[in-house]
Amino acid sequence: DAKTTQPNSMESNEEEPVHLPCNHSTISGTDYIHWYRQLPSQGPEYVIHGLTSNVNNRMASLAIAEDRKSSTLILHRATLRDAAVYYCILRDVENAGNMLTFGGGTRLMVKP
Amino acid sequence: KAGVTQTPRYLIKTRGQQVTLSCSPISGHRSVSWYQQTPGQGLQFLFEYFSETQRNKGNFPGRFSGRQFSNSRSEMNVSTLELGDSALYLCASSLAVRGYDTEAFFGQGTRLTVV
Repeated sequence: DAKTTQPNSMESNEEEPVHLPCNHSTISGTDYIHWYRQLPSQGPEYVIHGLTSNVNNRMASLAIAEDRKSSTLILHRATLRDAAVYYCILRDVENAGNMLTFGGGTRLMVKP
Repeated sequence: KAGVTQTPRYLIKTRGQQVTLSCSPISGHRSVSWYQQTPGQGLQFLFEYFSETQRNKGNFPGRFSGRQFSNSRSEMNVSTLELGDSALYLCASSLAVRGYDTEAFFGQGTRLTVV
């Protein structure tokens, strides 16, 4: 799986939007962009994924650059419960395996 | 539906012993993957099983092994435990159908402490 680069940490105020960036300049055509987050003392949980177009779900939005070399996870109104480590991962859809290559992720701190 | 279940949640073992961890995937999921999480190395992929066959393997020594049963439940085994094996071991299940991208569902993990 191709490598991703994320800031080590970010801070946000409660009820404000948060934009978490991810760079993946070596992304291939069959790589999907996945985001997972890990709350304290829990296993990672899926947030959102996409290939080329922007995606929205009940948890977040994913904005993908036109050249696909970067993406941004958007939390529209951060809550204290959103404090977690967020991982941006590329997954090759041609490899049907479930292998996920985690980087260091971004630790999001939310201030009340 | 029930999520991914890992047992036990906590375990303390002595150096040199062996340990077996268990993972029950979400019903209908045939892919089970295992990960090790430590403060120093982060989340690292151990191996993946699909339909009772190991499909992918991470860069871990042969002391780490696994298997999957016909009901998709999986076990991982670590022999000759070392202090450095102390970690959170996570299991994830997925549909993992070739050509389709699907998400992975993680369990709460098993916290292994080697003393």
